[in-house]
Amino acid sequence: DAGITQSPRHKVTETGTPVTLRCHQTENHRYMYWYRQDPGHGLRLIHYSYGVKDTDKGEVSDGYSVSRSKTEDFLLTLESATSSQTSVYFCAISDLDRGPDTQYFGPGTRLTVL
Amino acid sequence: GDSVTQMEGPVTLSEEAFLTINCTYTATGYPSLFWYVQYPGEGLQLLLKATKADDKGSNKGFEATYRKETTSFHLEKGSVQVSDSAVYFCALSDSRTTSGYALNFGKGTSLLVTP
Repeated sequence: DAGITQSPRHKVTETGTPVTLRCHQTENHRYMYWYRQDPGHGLRLIHYSYGVKDTDKGEVSDGYSVSRSKTEDFLLTLESATSSQTSVYFCAISDLDRGPDTQYFGPGTRLTVL
Repeated sequence: GDSVTQMEGPVTLSEEAFLTINCTYTATGYPSLFWYVQYPGEGLQLLLKATKADDKGSNKGFEATYRKETTSFHLEKGSVQVSDSAVYFCALSDSRTTSGYALNFGKGTSLLVTP
């Protein structure tokens, strides 16, 4: 258990509204990631962070922004949600102790955009 | 770019049958390879990993060997149980070609084990 929580776990929102998903970790892991999971696509990287205030884009970053103002929290924001952003969002962490490429995942947030 | 290809599912097996889920990869460097498992309604759990050629990862009766010559990392289990029903994801990580240490996932293979 890597001490990762995600909130909310489920959310239904309307097109055009802003949405923020939160990933919280309790074990001071350096690296944090946001993925989305869609049928037929596996998981795809949205954004990642390699430290406080240090973030970078992944494969499917359009329409998303992130912030990491403290080690334990990594926020994913959909500035203006669209139906194509309906998905399950997973946060993951890794650190140098267990191998930076060995990731542990949170329970996920199911987002529905109507 | 780097990619992972998994066999299409769903795979349906009877309890105690032998399981193989094929995974092949394309990478320019020397990636680390992973298998993750996702039970219904849950997040992904790391099942096993291998970091270099000929390494064998193993956990809970599952095994996979990193085969550089065939660029494969097939998942096997000698005798599956109903509780193994889940979606299995093969993934790779190569920090020299991907974002940070991000994982590149296959599309997943659904396994259903019947009593």
